Amino acid sequence: QQPVQSPQAVILREGEDAVINCSSSKALYSVHWYRQKHGEAPVFLMILLKGGEQKGHEKISASFNEKKQQSSLYLTASQLSYSGTYFCGTSPGTYKYIFGTGTRLKVLA
Amino acid sequence: GAGVSQSPSNKVTEKGKDVELRCDPISGHTALYWYRQSLGQGLEFLIYFQGNSAPDKSGLPSDRFSAERTGGSVSTLTIQRTQQEDSAVYLCASSSDRGEKLFFGSGTQLSVL
Repeated sequence: QQPVQSPQAVILREGEDAVINCSSSKALYSVHWYRQKHGEAPVFLMILLKGGEQKGHEKISASFNEKKQQSSLYLTASQLSYSGTYFCGTSPGTYKYIFGTGTRLKVLA
Repeated sequence: GAGVSQSPSNKVTEKGKDVELRCDPISGHTALYWYRQSLGQGLEFLIYFQGNSAPDKSGLPSDRFSAERTGGSVSTLTIQRTQQEDSAVYLCASSSDRGEKLFFGSGTQLSVL
């Protein structure tokens, strides 16, 4: 039931791009993306709703394929501050959110 | 308060003791969530509240775990007869409505010796 994220981990140089994928076995109404830095609470990045509406971060984009029950987070021109663990959270349309397995991203100078 | 507040921030207890973890959500937020995060792992769903009701308790690991929410505000997660495998960070989050972003608290680090 837990969404599967890929890759599990990625290392980038500053300025490089990355894509993080989230795949669910259940029909989805919305997908959330969060970033968690070590020792801190997760912080909201993006919401994608069924129908294509997106709400969130200016420098990060995402896509939501309802039919495939997949979402992808696109990090372009990565900065050192992008380092952390990224989680997708999925909901079938209720209040309940199940989070994915996580993707650890490290950006090197 | 301005954000989600959790207390205590750290709790060390002995195996077999009961513990209570508290979450004070953002004022006016109707939905409240509890998640558990073991070291280096993802966010494990435990339970969520809509107002004072908990429509889905399926994530609670065993009958030693229980949670309540009163007045549509503060929530308490209780773990009875704690075991070493209960050691983890327990995160609380709240949101204003279905589909809206979750605001997380800083968590309670529980260590069971």
